[in-house]
Order: sequence, then structure tokens, then C-alpha cells
Amino acid sequence: DIQMTQSPSSLSASVGDRVTITCRASQSINKNLNWYQQKVGKAPKLLIYVASNLQTGVPSRFSGSGSGTDFTLTISSLQPEDFAIYYCQQSYNTPSSFGQGTKVEIK
Amino acid sequence: EVQLLESGGGLVQPGGSLRLSCAASGFTFSNFALNWVRQAPGKGLEWVSGISGGGDITYYTDSVRGRLTISRDNAKNTLYLQMDSLRAEDTALYYCAKARDSCTSTSCNQLAYYYYVMDVWGQGTTVTVAS
Repeated sequence: DIQMTQSPSSLSASVGDRVTITCRASQSINKNLNWYQQKVGKAPKLLIYVASNLQTGVPSRFSGSGSGTDFTLTISSLQPEDFAIYYCQQSYNTPSSFGQGTKVEIK
Repeated sequence: EVQLLESGGGLVQPGGSLRLSCAASGFTFSNFALNWVRQAPGKGLEWVSGISGGGDITYYTDSVRGRLTISRDNAKNTLYLQMDSLRAEDTALYYCAKARDSCTSTSCNQLAYYYYVMDVWGQGTTVTVAS
């Protein structure tokens, strides 16, 4: 099974900051990497699919990059509504697997 | 509007059974794979099971295979998860989630992409396994 590891596990940032979250797969997954945002008490929301494709309706301040084993989610200018937990997920094979999550908190 | 609405959760004793349902609306149900994803209290997301649009292909994570059974009724636009031999570690919020892209042919219905890029999620239903 493919293991997904995110770093950091949590971070503190201010509104307007540029934020980067990293996800590493235990083997190559080509570009089959997705990012989700989960706010407290809510279901996850798809942000980015296939490494760099912005899901419809997601603000352009979110972007994704990477291929193979190393991937990045970037928020170019953090907004108050972006404070949440972010998960990466591989859709390369079965079983699909998620990273452990990165909590983005207010500094 | 595309919607998924889960139901059927509750408190059950270890070894017991439960059936979860997920009622869908706003899209051509049979054209999309569906999944169950769970989240234990205070923990991260765990993919549990997936099923093809036609219902003929199913996938499971190892820890639930043989105990949980995914199925769908395309005439009723409803996804199910039959949960048997439940364990304390099955305690979680269970989400149903829809694949982003449709797949209506055998050329795609075994490709992970058409299952696991999940663009719409329900609000979840809580399963608690305890004595």
C-alpha cells in the first residue's frame, strides 16, 4: 500500500502569508495526487486534482505542483477562510490513501 | 445541485451490524463511482470502499474486507454500506463521496482516477461501536 506523508503537521500563519504544504508518497504516483480542505465540523472539499488542476469554484490563490513522489500545495495569500486542515490523497491505485493532514492555524 | 445525504448511523455493540445509506440527487447516478470514507474521532481521513457506476466492481481497504459490503441501487439513486462483525475501531464518521468524472465503459471502470478523485461529499453519519 502507498503511504502518504505530509509536512508540516501543523503551522501558524498570518492573513496574507504565503503557505506551502508538502506531501510525499512512498512510491511514484505520477501526478495522481489530490488536495482536500476540511473545516471544523464539515466534510472535506476537493481543491486540487491530478497534482495541479484547480477544482471548479476554488479560488486561484490555491495551486498545486509536483509529480512522482513529491508534491506541494501553495496558498499564495492566506485568507481568514483558509484556516482549516489540508489533506493530500493518492488516486494512483487501490487502496487510495490520505496523508495525516496539515492544520493551518492563525498566528 | 449535486447532493449526497447519508443516514443509518448509530450505536451498536461489538460484533453487531448496521446498514448505512447514502441518497444521491442532482446527477446521473449510474455514471459515477462512489466511495465510503471514514474519519475516526479527532483523526484523519481513511478510504474504506469504492464501487463502480454499474455496481459490478467493488474495492475495499484490507481492514474491512469480509466484514463491510458496499452496494448500490441505481434505480433508487442510493449507495449502501452493510457493516457486519463491527469492531470498536470501526467507530467513525462515515462519508459517502462521489467520483469527479463519469465512467460508462469498461475502458475506465478499473482505473483508480475514476473512483478516487472525489468532488462531492455528504455530511456524514456517525457509527459508534461500544458495549
